[in-house]
Amino acid sequence: QSALTQPASVSGSPGQSITISCTGTSSDVGGYNYVSWYQQHPGKAPKLMIYDVSNRPSGVSNRFSGSKSGNTASLTISGLQAEDEADYYCSSYTSSSSWVFGGGTKLTVL
Amino acid sequence: QVQLVQSGAEVKKPGASVKVSCKASGYTFTSYYMHWVRQAPGQGLEWMGIINPSGGSTSYAQKFQGRVTMTRDTSTSTVYMELSSLRSEDTAVYYCARDPGNMVPSYMDVWGKGTTVTVSS
Repeated sequence: QSALTQPASVSGSPGQSITISCTGTSSDVGGYNYVSWYQQHPGKAPKLMIYDVSNRPSGVSNRFSGSKSGNTASLTISGLQAEDEADYYCSSYTSSSSWVFGGGTKLTVL
Repeated sequence: QVQLVQSGAEVKKPGASVKVSCKASGYTFTSYYMHWVRQAPGQGLEWMGIINPSGGSTSYAQKFQGRVTMTRDTSTSTVYMELSSLRSEDTAVYYCARDPGNMVPSYMDVWGKGTTVTVSS
């Protein structure tokens, strides 16, 4: 199972919005509504930010939102804050009854 | 509160095996699947497999088939991940992560802090 495709890096200024894409195939992202997003700060464990494409866990800021179109899922962060600077990973369930992660995107808040 | 406490760092020689534990607390252990995910230094996340603590059934990533074994002990609410025939490329932080999926597993909502495994001669 190949990793999902994410941009290596994105950046934005405080207050702006950014979107991170996550492209897979009809066997993973496009075939199931089981896409999730994780935030990871250096030296820390990943943290769930979005599950089942667009659902936000309790305690996660509503500045984070998720969507999907075809084989591509997206994470949008609005009103960027310095604390949002981190690595972000998407993940999807696959037709092989397995899970696959994206390669990760480093978000820099300028 | 829900917690996953993992065992301490390990240093192993190539060819050896390592067994990492993940002790769950704060919820009904047998009601939630558990994933294992690893992260090599400076690299991304890699899914290794999943175990159903209720019946013990497992599913492993093809890459690790034949080398990984996931087990559980319901009496101590602990899951284990054993990786054999270690090589330098297995040097990584290994995480356990709970899956709260309702009817089917779908995502990872609580993560352990990770266990560093170093493979070096």
